[in-house]
This record gives sequence, structure tokens and C-alpha cells, in this order.
Amino acid sequence: DTEVTQTPKHLVMGMTNKKSLKCEQHMGHRAMYWYKQKAKKPPELMFVYSYEKLSINESVPSRFSPECPNSSLLNLHLHALQPEDSALYLCASSQEQTYEQYFGPGTRLTVT
Amino acid sequence: AQSVTQPDIHITVSEGASLELRCNYSYGATPYLFWYVQSPGQGLQLLLKYFSGDTLVQGIKGFEAEFKRSQSSFNLRKPSVHWSDAAEYFCAVGGGATNKLIFGTGTLLAVQP
Repeated sequence: DTEVTQTPKHLVMGMTNKKSLKCEQHMGHRAMYWYKQKAKKPPELMFVYSYEKLSINESVPSRFSPECPNSSLLNLHLHALQPEDSALYLCASSQEQTYEQYFGPGTRLTVT
Repeated sequence: AQSVTQPDIHITVSEGASLELRCNYSYGATPYLFWYVQSPGQGLQLLLKYFSGDTLVQGIKGFEAEFKRSQSSFNLRKPSVHWSDAAEYFCAVGGGATNKLIFGTGTLLAVQP
């Protein structure tokens, strides 16, 4: 099973709201990723967790806060977002020592 | 610096025709190479990967790719395209200790009936 699940599929939030995106995998992968993808662009890496510890933060604004409660779950907490943060947010996972990343279906976020 | 170039932004082929999508990379060591496909509003699906060994790799959905070190290329091919293959295709390179993938800008494939 190479499935990564993400909830919700769609999210509309105001600039003062607080919301969270969730990602789950049951492949025993030890690395998990958040990407942001704007229309007609490739995914941009935001965060990498390795063995439940944050290993890469690509200088993402603090209004995005990642969390890895356990090896199967990855959250992205959102607060005080801007309209330009509207995008497709993708979660992915991989075995630590390989680079074969498996992606979830994404959450389409709209900030109003 | 690591980089991936997909020279073709948009390609249109007729259903049943053959397909080749180009990918060139710049990487200091032996790269790990990938092709992903993305349908509109969906996540990325891994088509195939190259880590080492046989330079012609087979993937899902009838796709294959050939690694050519001398040309720094990893082109994706399919002998007969189906209408359902219409999508965005991303080539990516990875390697080193960071687990980071570097994506190309993508090639949008349209399939004519």
C-alpha cells in the first residue's frame, strides 16, 4: 500500500482563522514532507521531518507551524494567513534512506 | 548547483502516437531520478525511478525512461498515448543527505482524439 491521505480536501479560511491540515501514512516511512504548490508550478518544499524531528525548514513564515505527533502523522497548523498563501498543499513520505517520495492528494486552501 | 530542466512547457500528441518528454539535470554526483504525473487538482503519482543499474527503467501505465549519463538526460517515453495520459509531468532529481527533491518546471501533455 503506497497511500498517503490528507484531510480536508478543500479548506476556505479567513485571515484571522486558525486551522490545521492533516496527513497520514501507514507505510512505515520515517521521513515526511510538506509542499506548497501554486497553479502551473512545481511543488515547493516547505518542511521535512525525519524520525519525527524537524530536519528542514525552507525559511517558511511562522504563520505555518508543522507538527509530527508520531511517525505516521503530520500536521500543518495555519494562523493569520495571507491571500497569497492560497495554494494546493501536498504531503509526502519516504523511507529515510531513499528519495522515492509518495504524495497525498493534497488540500486545496483558499484564504479570503 | 542542482537543477532540472524540462525544455517543453506544453506538448500535444494524437491518441495512439508515441511520446517522449525531455528532462535534463545538473548534479555533481550520481543522481536519483524520478518522473511524476499530476492530474488537475490532484497529488503527484510516481511513474518511475532510477537509482542505479539498468539505464532503461520501466514504470507504471506503460511508461519507460532512459538514463543517459553522457547527456545528463532522463527522458520519459511511451509507445502509444491514451487520452487518459493527459496531465502535467514533472521530472525530479534527488541525492545527498537532505532527502530534498529538485523538480523541473513540468510539461503539460494534451492528447488529441
